Amino acid sequence: GAVVSQHPSWVICKSGTSVKIECRSLDFQATTMFWYRQFPKQSLMLMATSNEGSKATYEQGVEKDKFLINHASLTLSTLTVTSAHPEDSSFYICSASSTGWDTEAFFGQGTRLTVV
Amino acid sequence: AQKVTQAQTEISVVEKEDVTLDCVYETRDTTYYLFWYKQPPSGELVFLIRRNSFDEQNEISGRYSWNFQKSTSSFNFTITASQVVDSAVYFCALIGAGGTSYGKLTFGQGTILTVHP
Repeated sequence: GAVVSQHPSWVICKSGTSVKIECRSLDFQATTMFWYRQFPKQSLMLMATSNEGSKATYEQGVEKDKFLINHASLTLSTLTVTSAHPEDSSFYICSASSTGWDTEAFFGQGTRLTVV
Repeated sequence: AQKVTQAQTEISVVEKEDVTLDCVYETRDTTYYLFWYKQPPSGELVFLIRRNSFDEQNEISGRYSWNFQKSTSSFNFTITASQVVDSAVYFCALIGAGGTSYGKLTFGQGTILTVHP
């Protein structure tokens, strides 16, 4: 299957700072990327959908000013958690797919964010 | 709206036992895909299977098998002769073709499987 690389795998940051997470499709062009959040022992919840060159579409209840998503190229999407707080501590995982709604989405390795 | 329900929160078995993980879904789309993913303690999601809504054939891959019953909106996953390495969280998921659900994976709550030696 195709490879999606997510970086960093884990990050610890101080409250009030911003953290950027990168999601790269290494061997295919990802027209659509998705960002999920997973709290401990819970399911993955979709945060937003980003299409290359356009603004991200956020799910209900997700603060777009707090979770900034940029999908500037067909191989890279970034999620920036701005002014992070301890309640933002979570596992963030991205997925990428090429054209077509039913295309299998390939997942990154995930990023464990801890805000202290 | 789409919904995926995995009623079993946790399952504990002894090695070599067979175990079935249940998945029931809801969608208004006539065309959709169903998935199973494995999430080991490291956190990454491991793709196991994708099945489209028009293919109700059961599938077997090694010790894994899947039973898709469209009439009951279920897509159950069976592990035969379980092993300790099968211990993980398993997610059932759905992608639909229609409306606001277009292209989005909806996940079930996950089932924590623990296989004891």
